[in-house]
Amino acid sequence: QVQLVQSGAEVKKPGASVKVSCETSGNTFSAYYMHWVRQAPGQGLEWVGVINPNGDVTHYAQRFQGRVTVTKDASTSTVYMELSSLTSEDTAVYFCARERPRTSYFDDWGQGTLVTVTS
Amino acid sequence: QSALTQPASVSGSPGQSITISCTGTSSDVGNYNHVSWYVQHPGKAPKLMIYDVNKRPSGVSDRFSGSKSGNTASLTISGLQAEDETDYYCCSYAGNGIYVFGTGTRVTVL
Repeated sequence: QVQLVQSGAEVKKPGASVKVSCETSGNTFSAYYMHWVRQAPGQGLEWVGVINPNGDVTHYAQRFQGRVTVTKDASTSTVYMELSSLTSEDTAVYFCARERPRTSYFDDWGQGTLVTVTS
Repeated sequence: QSALTQPASVSGSPGQSITISCTGTSSDVGNYNHVSWYVQHPGKAPKLMIYDVNKRPSGVSDRFSGSKSGNTASLTISGLQAEDETDYYCCSYAGNGIYVFGTGTRVTVL
């Protein structure tokens, strides 16, 4: 199975930003859409956003618009999700997930990164 | 972009069949045949079980099946087993590159 390897846990203060990474294989990086999904403690899954294979188109859930940025770095085959103006409600596990073009489902997931926002 | 509605919990005895519903709107579930289902064990990443309403990835048991009628999709687990006791989520494409997940259902095997 494809490996999506995410960065380690983060602890941030309210108002700060966090940048979570997801390292992929070269083929996945160049050919797949990469999504971010989060899960607050004891809660359900919530779709955050996506970046296309070329890295020039992104879409975000309305509630995160203006606060989230998903980017790609071809030199390291890594996808990033940056979330700013953090509040305690952003405390969650953030997953990256892969979507093959023209399929509309997530066939592989990273292991998750816990982001804790606390003063 | 409201979450799709799933029952909080569904239970059944071993060997029985259970069905989990996933209700959206005409903008998501009702408008696209891009409904997928994921199983999530505690502390683990979700895993794809059903895609495009009723298709199973290779390696997924045929005890799992999906369907859709109008704005509601459903996941049926046949021959319920103890190992099926965990959380299940639906997800639908909602147009313009946007996706929405369901609220999640905890399956309990009695």
